Amino acid sequence: NAGVTQTPKFRVLKTGQSMTLLCAQDMNHEYMYWYRQDPGMGLRLIHYSVGEGTTAKGEVPDGYNVSRLKKQNFLLGLESAAPSQTSVYFCASRTGGASNYGYTFGSGTRLTVV
Amino acid sequence: GENVEQHPSTLSVQEGDSAVIKCTYSDSASNYFPWYKQELGKGPQLIIDIRSNVGEKKDQRIAVTLNKTAKHFSLHITETQPEDSAVYFCAASIAQAGTALIFGKGTTLSVSS
Repeated sequence: NAGVTQTPKFRVLKTGQSMTLLCAQDMNHEYMYWYRQDPGMGLRLIHYSVGEGTTAKGEVPDGYNVSRLKKQNFLLGLESAAPSQTSVYFCASRTGGASNYGYTFGSGTRLTVV
Repeated sequence: GENVEQHPSTLSVQEGDSAVIKCTYSDSASNYFPWYKQELGKGPQLIIDIRSNVGEKKDQRIAVTLNKTAKHFSLHITETQPEDSAVYFCAASIAQAGTALIFGKGTTLSVSS
C-alpha cells in the first residue's frame, strides 16, 4: 500500500500564481484533511472532507479552495498565491468507521511563495 | 471551537530518563486524544491514542493519561532513547461527529546520549 501520496513534494511560486496540490489515498478512507504546518504554530486545519463530493472549512481556510470529486483524491487549490502561504502542507485521511480514528499523513508538500 | 494547548515547547533529557508532555483542551465534548510523532522531513505518525472512556493506556515505553474533569492529557515516555528525538503533537476531536483533529503546537524532544 502506498498510503497517502502528496504531489508535488516541493514547489516555488511567484506571488499571484496559482497551483493545485494533489492528495491521493489508496486505503478507501472516507475522511480527508488538509493542514498547514508553520514553525511554532503546529498543524492548522485548512479544509476537510467527510466523503466524496463534500468539503468543509477548517481553522484557516482563507485563500484556499478544495475539491473531492473522487473518494481517493483531495485537491487543495491556491488561486492567487501570497507569501503568507509559504508553508509545509500535509494531507491526511482516516476511515469513517468507529474502530479506528487515527489519521494517516502524507509526507508533505513544501511550498515557497516569493 | 476546540483549542489545544501543549507544554513544554522544547524538552531536553538524558538517555534513560523519562519525558512528560502535557496538553489541555477546551471543548468538554472532545472524546478522542491521539499523540503523533514527527521526524525531520516526514509527516506525523500516530504513536498512541486514548478515548474518553479510558483513564490510561500503555504501549511498551509510552503511556498516555487522561483527566476528563480537568480537561488535560499527558504523554509519558520512559527509558528514553536517542531515536525518541522528534517533534510530538497532541490533538483532540469529537470522533463520532467526524470533526477534524485540532493539534497542539508541538514539543521538540531532544534525547542526548
